[in-house]
Amino acid sequence: GESVGLHLPTLSVQEGDNSIINCAYSNSASDYFIWYKQESGKGPQFIIDIRSNMDKRQGQRVTVLLNKTVKHLSLQIAATQPGDSAVYFCAENIGYGGATNKLIFGTGTLLAVQP
Amino acid sequence: DGGITQSPKYLFRKEGQNVTLSCEQNLNHDAMYWYRQDPGQGLRLIYYSQIVNDFQKGDIAEGYSVSREKKESFPLTVTSAQKNPTAFYLCASRSVAGGHSYEQYFGPGTRLTVT
Repeated sequence: GESVGLHLPTLSVQEGDNSIINCAYSNSASDYFIWYKQESGKGPQFIIDIRSNMDKRQGQRVTVLLNKTVKHLSLQIAATQPGDSAVYFCAENIGYGGATNKLIFGTGTLLAVQP
Repeated sequence: DGGITQSPKYLFRKEGQNVTLSCEQNLNHDAMYWYRQDPGQGLRLIYYSQIVNDFQKGDIAEGYSVSREKKESFPLTVTSAQKNPTAFYLCASRSVAGGHSYEQYFGPGTRLTVT
């Protein structure tokens, strides 16, 4: 039978449109969040991060929004380009004191940009 | 160039053989991590190390072993006890110095195929 998890959630957008990728996180004590971009066959690359004491952070063409009330994170990409096509992961940091911290990754969303 | 290197990019082994994946970083990072990624899924933590000569099990450590004899190196051995070793393996590192983010820097990955 088909394995669960083989089909990522997919967001298909037209080149030039804005993209919004959503992520629900699990731990209300998480203090830091990151968005990563992963192109096929490569390691994840950092896009943007946000601390739990912030609601919004902007980078170049990207904005991350954090809603702690509903434990929701979103990544907005302005004027999406074909080079933005990739899998996007959110990750939450869970600290256990001192230097011990672990990132918990979501399953990812595939962004497909149509020319 | 500073960064994380993983070698080889592709690795093929016969079932029943142990295999060691290399991970080297020249970022002077204290913490290093190994993740496993299966098709269409997020990253799962295998082992991590916060300091030389110390490491902890992650969420899926069974069938794997690591060593951390040098700050720069964190090799992962996939043993014959690992029931489903075929996967994409990612190594990451992070600075644990005060005031830094929890961003992890990833290597390019090693795709292991066991037949």
